[in-house]
Amino acid sequence: GAVVSQHPSRVICKSGTSVKIECRSLDFQATTMFWYRQFPKQSLMLMATSNEGSKATYEQGVEKDKFLINHASLTLSTLTVTSAHPEDSSFYICSAREGQLMNTEAFFGQGTRLTVV
Amino acid sequence: AQSVSQHNHHVILSEAASLELGCNYSYGGTVNLFWYVQYPGQHLQLLLKYFSGDPLVKGIKGFEAEFIKSKFSFNLRKPSVQWSDTAEYFCAVKGSARQLTFGSGTQLTVLP
Repeated sequence: GAVVSQHPSRVICKSGTSVKIECRSLDFQATTMFWYRQFPKQSLMLMATSNEGSKATYEQGVEKDKFLINHASLTLSTLTVTSAHPEDSSFYICSAREGQLMNTEAFFGQGTRLTVV
Repeated sequence: AQSVSQHNHHVILSEAASLELGCNYSYGGTVNLFWYVQYPGQHLQLLLKYFSGDPLVKGIKGFEAEFIKSKFSFNLRKPSVQWSDTAEYFCAVKGSARQLTFGSGTQLTVLP
């Protein structure tokens, strides 16, 4: 299957700082990318959907000013957690999809473990 | 809104035992259904998917799932599990919103 690379895989930052997570589709053009958050022993919760060249669509309850998403190219989307706090500590996962059709498969990155101290 | 329910939070089996993980979804329209697996320390991988056609879907590593529309179910099965199947399994549904909604996951532990 197609490869989605997420970087970094693990990051520890101080409270109040910002952290940028990158998600790259390595062998296909991702028209749509998704950002998820996974708390321990819980499922993946969709945070936002981004289409290349347009503003991301955020799910209800997700602060768009706190979780900045940029999808400037067909192979790269970034999630920036601004002014991070300990409650933002979580596992963040991106996925990328090549087409717009409903039955197009999405591929997942390996995730980023964020710890805010 | 679409939702997915996985009733088994943790399943423990011995090697060679048969596996069935439950998945029920809530959505009135046409759906695509998926099972993903997450091995320890690794990313989500697609096990199998259903879009249309034969409701019995065969995936990788000997897994299969059956879509029963009348029951809104898409249970995952494997006739004989191996120690290497120890992982977390997620059922997911995609409706007209085109985004995946995941179940809460089932942790499978296979004892050698």
